[in-house]
Amino acid sequence: AQSVTQLGSHVSVSEGALVLLRCNYSSSVPPYLFWYVQYPNQGLQLLLKYTTGATLVKGINGFEAEFKKSETSFHLTKPSAHMSDAAEYFCAVTGNTGGFKTIFGAGTRLFVKA
Amino acid sequence: DVKVTQSSRYLVKRTGEKVFLECVQDMDHENMFWYRQDPGLGLRLIYFSYDVKMKEKGDIPEGYSVSREKKERFSLILESASTNQTSMYLCASSSAPSSYNEQFFGPGTRLTVL
Repeated sequence: AQSVTQLGSHVSVSEGALVLLRCNYSSSVPPYLFWYVQYPNQGLQLLLKYTTGATLVKGINGFEAEFKKSETSFHLTKPSAHMSDAAEYFCAVTGNTGGFKTIFGAGTRLFVKA
Repeated sequence: DVKVTQSSRYLVKRTGEKVFLECVQDMDHENMFWYRQDPGLGLRLIYFSYDVKMKEKGDIPEGYSVSREKKERFSLILESASTNQTSMYLCASSSAPSSYNEQFFGPGTRLTVL
């Protein structure tokens, strides 16, 4: 079974500051991990994903995330926030033994202050 | 460009009505999903389908049914709408296997049941 915990339902940063959104997962099998972003009045779109291989994953819009197995974490970062990054971010996990269910976290809403 | 469309962006129905939410994808994806999105709860899977006429229950199927008569179309049915089904409904699709392939989401249908 899999589960996802996103720490902080709301995160506020200043424009140009580091963005750090935290995600911890639980999985009984090696996981596949995802970050999705949802802009207002839109569906979710994929930012990045980890399946196998390199643990530092780069995504769109300057975001990246690092898979740390020992810490069961997959935190999302961006060196310099932009106003356009204001959105809700979802971490998600599936197990790599097959099956179809992706488990989503509760989401973190990112606010960017001018 | 993958496109997932949902029949309505906003819908208002009365308690006891039968409600149909339609979803169409244009990328020949095998897998289709219906989620419900509520604040603080993230996305919860209602039903998914991995092939025409095939369906599997997700985490919260009670009060819902689905239909997939054609590969591109996946319908969610609320047999007798209740106020606790007021929510945002998101449809998604993915190619097989769904465990590590990204899901493409529609814009969502915000359903209000009075």
